[in-house]
Amino acid sequence: AQSVSQHNHHVILSEAASLELGCNYSYGGTVNLFWYVQYPGQHLQLLLKYFSGDPLVKGIKGFEAEFIKSKFSFNLRKPSVQWSDTAEYFCAVNAGYGGSQGNLIFGKGTKLSVKP
Amino acid sequence: GAGVSQSPRYKVAKRGQDVALRCDPISGHVSLFWYQQALGQGPEFLTYFQNEAQLDKSGLPSDRFFAERPEGSVSTLKIQRTQQEDSAVYLCASSPRDRGYYEQYFGPGTRLTVT
Repeated sequence: AQSVSQHNHHVILSEAASLELGCNYSYGGTVNLFWYVQYPGQHLQLLLKYFSGDPLVKGIKGFEAEFIKSKFSFNLRKPSVQWSDTAEYFCAVNAGYGGSQGNLIFGKGTKLSVKP
Repeated sequence: GAGVSQSPRYKVAKRGQDVALRCDPISGHVSLFWYQQALGQGPEFLTYFQNEAQLDKSGLPSDRFFAERPEGSVSTLKIQRTQQEDSAVYLCASSPRDRGYYEQYFGPGTRLTVT
C-alpha cells in the first residue's frame, strides 16, 4: 500500500531562517507529488505539484520542492521564512496515470511555527 | 470564483444519530473526493465520484458510511448510527478532470463531534 512519511511533527523557526521539510513516500510506480498548506482557520490549498519533467518545482510564496526518485523523496524548501508562513504543511501523493482514481495519500503533516 | 463549499461547518451528534454532510463542488468539476481527517492526522481518502458515478468507495470505514452524487454536482456523505470514532473533520475536494491528475480544490470541511 502507498504511504507518505513526514519526518517532522512540529518545526519552530525564527524569521529569515531557511526551511526544509522532509517527505518520503512508498510506491513503486509513477507518482504525482503535492505539497498542500493549511493556514490557521483556512482550508487546504495547493502549494506546489510535480507530475513530470524538471524535478525541481517552484510553487507559490517562494516555496520549492525537489523530487529525488532514487530516494523516494519530495522535500519542501524555502530559503527565508516569514511569520506569515506559520501553517501546517502536508505532503501528498497519488499514483500516476492508470494507477488509481487519483485519490491523494497524505502524510500526517508538519506544523511550522515562525517566530517574529 | 466560488470555491468548494461544505455545510454544515460544525455538527454535534449524539451517538446513534444519523448525520448528512453536504458538499458543493466548483461548478463543472468532474471529480469529487471525500476525505476524513482525524485530529493530528492527515486527510484519509473515503470515496471518489466521477460525475454521478461512484467509482471508488474503498476508503469508507464501514457500511454505516454512504455517499451519493445523484446529478453529478452536489454530493452528500451520510453516516448512520454515529459512533465516537466517527468524530473528525470531513473534507470534500473537487477536480476539473477525471482521475484527479489535476489539482484538487478543498472545501473548508465539516467538523463532526459525536458525544
